[in-house]
Amino acid sequence: EAGVTQSPTHLIKPRGQHATLRCSPISGHTSVYWYQQALGLGLQFLLWYDEGEERNRGNFPPRFSGRQFPNYSSELNVNALELEDSALYLCASSLYANTEAFFGQGTRLTVV
Amino acid sequence: GQQLNQSPQSMFIQEGEDVSMNCTSSSIFNTWLWYKQDPGEGPVLLIALYKAGELTSNGRLTAQFGITRKDSFLNISASIPSDVGIYFCAGLNNDMRFGAGTRLTVKP
Repeated sequence: EAGVTQSPTHLIKPRGQHATLRCSPISGHTSVYWYQQALGLGLQFLLWYDEGEERNRGNFPPRFSGRQFPNYSSELNVNALELEDSALYLCASSLYANTEAFFGQGTRLTVV
Repeated sequence: GQQLNQSPQSMFIQEGEDVSMNCTSSSIFNTWLWYKQDPGEGPVLLIALYKAGELTSNGRLTAQFGITRKDSFLNISASIPSDVGIYFCAGLNNDMRFGAGTRLTVKP
């Protein structure tokens, strides 16, 4: 069974542009979580999607947004990129809310 | 928001020693999870806890869900060099929040 897959693995974008990161959950999982992890730091909660709906978002500006598709895959969009957005972006999926979640390998976003 | 306080921040131990780390919160959680992360990788799930008071083992790892549902601990027995990494606790109460991590260094 395939795990959580994220694409692309690495992404380099100029400041001010837009980035789209994608996540495919484990088959059958309906909950998807997104996190930002700056170098050497912890996981900061960005967004939680469940059954196609945004259920909660962390303390990030509105230029961080996303969505969950009918097949439960998800994308994270970051507009007007800033240098401090450079980080590892991690996606996790779970069968449903409040159950064990599994992470992908992450997308390393570098803003130049 | 839901804050998780994880301690210690870092540990330097000798191979063969036991390790203990914990997480506390002012909020109640329905589920506690413990993860290990290696550099540049996604966190890997070690143990999941679903019931207050639950004690669960996975090899040399043992974790407990605190009876108040506001805390959890993770023990690693007889540490080995491959235990090196960052350990994170996570509490679930619909969404999932993480502690700041415990960086473990094991000296051979």
